[in-house]
Amino acid sequence: GESVGLHLPTLSVQEGDNSIINCAYSNSASDYFIWYKQESGKGPQFIIDIRSNMDKRQGQRVTVLLNKTVKHLSLQIAATQPGDSAVYFCAEKRTGGFKTIFGAGTRLFVKA
Amino acid sequence: SAVISQKPSRDICQRGTSLTIQCQVDSQVTMMFWYRQQPGQSLTLIATANQGSEATYESGFVIDKFPISRPNLTFSTLTVSNMSPEDSSIYLCSVEDSTGPTNYGYTFGSGTRLTVV
Repeated sequence: GESVGLHLPTLSVQEGDNSIINCAYSNSASDYFIWYKQESGKGPQFIIDIRSNMDKRQGQRVTVLLNKTVKHLSLQIAATQPGDSAVYFCAEKRTGGFKTIFGAGTRLFVKA
Repeated sequence: SAVISQKPSRDICQRGTSLTIQCQVDSQVTMMFWYRQQPGQSLTLIATANQGSEATYESGFVIDKFPISRPNLTFSTLTVSNMSPEDSSIYLCSVEDSTGPTNYGYTFGSGTRLTVV
């Protein structure tokens, strides 16, 4: 089907390599930072989140790093697989019912 | 995690007409969110829909163009009114899913791909 993110920044990695996707955020008052994965024809899917009082959190094959000094967030994917090919969005949120703001997104291509 | 059914999944509409998108959740949720994703771009929040009150619209979106209904805690509709080609986008509903892997992440429907000709 059609894909979203045709004009987004792209990252191309070899299968088995590690991927690092970066994101800059704007609101220093955000309490949570979340990474989403969007495959073609689907809605975004939650991957991992991190609270603003942390600088690192690990999940299954994924690690999120938060640098509040420079307002930078990264998603590291270990041993990237073809199924990881998708558009990845970072998002920031404040607690208390505030809305979630999505970043620009990065399209990840995994070469077999 | 909550399961969201969104329909239609896609439609091609004539300019000047309106399309209503439905979003059904399998559990009761307080807030439902409608997003727009224009081709090649990120998600932009249109409005937040609470049951029993008028939706809260973000800057650049108005009720006359995007009326929203929220008749109960599991259902919402978004109407795209008087459509023009600029309304061609993917429209997504989402909920804050406290039953999922995170307390603050959203669960999304699969989206409605709208093409206006």
